[in-house]
Order: sequence, then structure tokens, then C-alpha cells
Amino acid sequence: GDSVTQTEGPVTLSEGTSLTVNCSYETKQYPTLFWYVQYPGEGPQLLFKVPKANEKGSNRGFEATYNKEATSFHLQKASVQESDSAVYYCALSDYNQGKLIFGQGTKLSIKP
Amino acid sequence: AQTIHQWPVAEIKAVGSPLSLGCTIKGKSSPNLYWYWQATGGTLQQLFYSITVGQVESVVQLNLSASRPKDDQFILSTEKLLLSHSGFYLCAWSLLPTGNTEVFFGKGTRLTVV
Repeated sequence: GDSVTQTEGPVTLSEGTSLTVNCSYETKQYPTLFWYVQYPGEGPQLLFKVPKANEKGSNRGFEATYNKEATSFHLQKASVQESDSAVYYCALSDYNQGKLIFGQGTKLSIKP
Repeated sequence: AQTIHQWPVAEIKAVGSPLSLGCTIKGKSSPNLYWYWQATGGTLQQLFYSITVGQVESVVQLNLSASRPKDDQFILSTEKLLLSHSGFYLCAWSLLPTGNTEVFFGKGTRLTVV
């Protein structure tokens, strides 16, 4: 079945450093890929989505490229801020079952 | 603007007791509705989805049931809670069946089964 695997957390970085959260997926379809972010006590919210292979999505300084050949969708940010502390989820859409399949989440903590 | 309201915010329940969690979406007609479950520190797992009133599809069997009595309301329930039901329950909606469309989540209900 479809699956998503992310960098195992928690990840702790200093403010101003760069971030990469790895995301790999398995599917026989042509899914849309998503990055969601969840702050403590809140539901996840969409960071951005990319529906097509070889395209890039971005928002708030975060970006990821849909790499169909490598089946990857790694999240990157050049310079993280304390406010980026949250849990990040990579997800893919399963059209047949009408659902999103989430990775296990990566907890990111940024030290000032 | 669309709003999604979940109730209660948190619950502490005994094993074997019944449970009812609710969700209301305002500002959007005929949304697709979802229930997700998140174990503490775990990933998000879709439990149910509904495209229309009275129609609910089960995705994962966890001894839970869901109903959609009104267009804007989604209910999650069980007659007998298990310890394994503890976690964070999230209601969500989307304009279309999940494809390349955004899913909007509520603030969730924290359930502790003791």
C-alpha cells in the first residue's frame, strides 16, 4: 500500500541554520504531495502542496521539490527561526480511497 | 469564512464507557468531512470520511463509528471505550474528495481513557 517515511525526530537546530527534513514515499499512483505543519494544541495546517512531478512548492521560506524519479519530497529552509518550532508532516493523496496518507511527523525545535 | 468547531476540547473517560465527539463546519455547504486520530507523538491516521449526509465510509477499524446527521455535522462515537482509544481526535473538511485539494483541520479533542 501507499506509505510516507520522514526524517526521524526530534530535530533541534539553532536559529539561522539551515533545515532539511527528508520525505520519501511509495505509491503506484501519481499523487499530489503535501507538507503540513502542526503547532502545539492545534490541528495541522497546510504549508504547501505540489500536484505535479518535477515542480516545486514553497511558503514562508520553506520549499520542496516533487522528485518522481527518487520518490522524494524533502522539505528545506535556508535559515530557520524560533517560530518554526512545530511538527512537520509529509503527506500524499490517495485518490482511490479519498484520503491523505501522512508520514510519522518530524518534531522541530529551534533554539534562539 | 469557514469555521470548524470541535467539542469537547478534552475528555477523560473510563474504560468501557461510551463516547461521543462532535464537529460542526460553518460557512461551507456540502463539505467532505473526515475524522483523524493521532496517538500521542504519533502520525495522523484517517478513520472515516463522508461525502454527503447519511453516508460514511470507514477507513480503519478501531471499534469506533461515525455518523453525519446533518450537512454541517460529523459525530464520532463508541459504546465501549478501550485504553487504546486514547489520543487526539481531529475533524477535518475539504471542498472535494481528497485529491490535490487542501484539507482543513479543527483544533481537535484530547481523549484520555483511564
